[in-house]
Amino acid sequence: QKEVEQDPGPLSVPEGAIVSLNCTYSNSAFQYFMWYRQYSRKGPELLMYTYSSGNKEDGRFTAQVDKSSKYISLFIRDSQPSDSATYLCAMSGTTGRRALTFGSGTRLQVQP
Amino acid sequence: EPEVTQTPSHQVTQMGQEVILRCVPISNHLYFYWYRQILGQKVEFLVSFYNNEISEKSEIFDDQFSVERPDGSNFTLKIRSTKLEDSAMYFCASSASSPGQGRPKLFFGSGTQLSVL
Repeated sequence: QKEVEQDPGPLSVPEGAIVSLNCTYSNSAFQYFMWYRQYSRKGPELLMYTYSSGNKEDGRFTAQVDKSSKYISLFIRDSQPSDSATYLCAMSGTTGRRALTFGSGTRLQVQP
Repeated sequence: EPEVTQTPSHQVTQMGQEVILRCVPISNHLYFYWYRQILGQKVEFLVSFYNNEISEKSEIFDDQFSVERPDGSNFTLKIRSTKLEDSAMYFCASSASSPGQGRPKLFFGSGTQLSVL
């Protein structure tokens, strides 16, 4: 089983749609959960960060973590063409391996 | 907004040659990282560096790789004898705190695309 699994997409939605992106993971030591956005030929850019379980909202973005199910989600409301990018989930722990472990990324295309 | 700067943006080299990838992290950051992304694959951790020493490294980071902070601003990744499979986008990142403590916000550079022929 891969440590972090993410549906690669591509995911194509019309402008204004609600987008749901998800990752599952197997390592119960992960405590920090992040979502990065990556535009073509650019480095990942941090969008959202959550510690342990719960929800976090920032503008049109909501991150959810369910540690009991080892499942994290990113919701994008009122999606815009500028949201078109690859979205990467990333996780890290507080003991042992503390470096970020990334998912493979989901490519999102928001059609105008 | 401060940013991590990487040079060069593209590097082409022959197999067996040494390459040095350069990075200027954000000035008040203390933790430095190298990640790489082979085309079509996930971003993979290589090494983290704090207080002038390696704090963590992955199984990818073998004896062919080394990192250095030669002065107060630069952070370099050296690959001693490049292999075809080293072809990838290499990202430098920096953070004010460790991913394992506090707010693990990593700032990534735009990457160096390394092509080994």
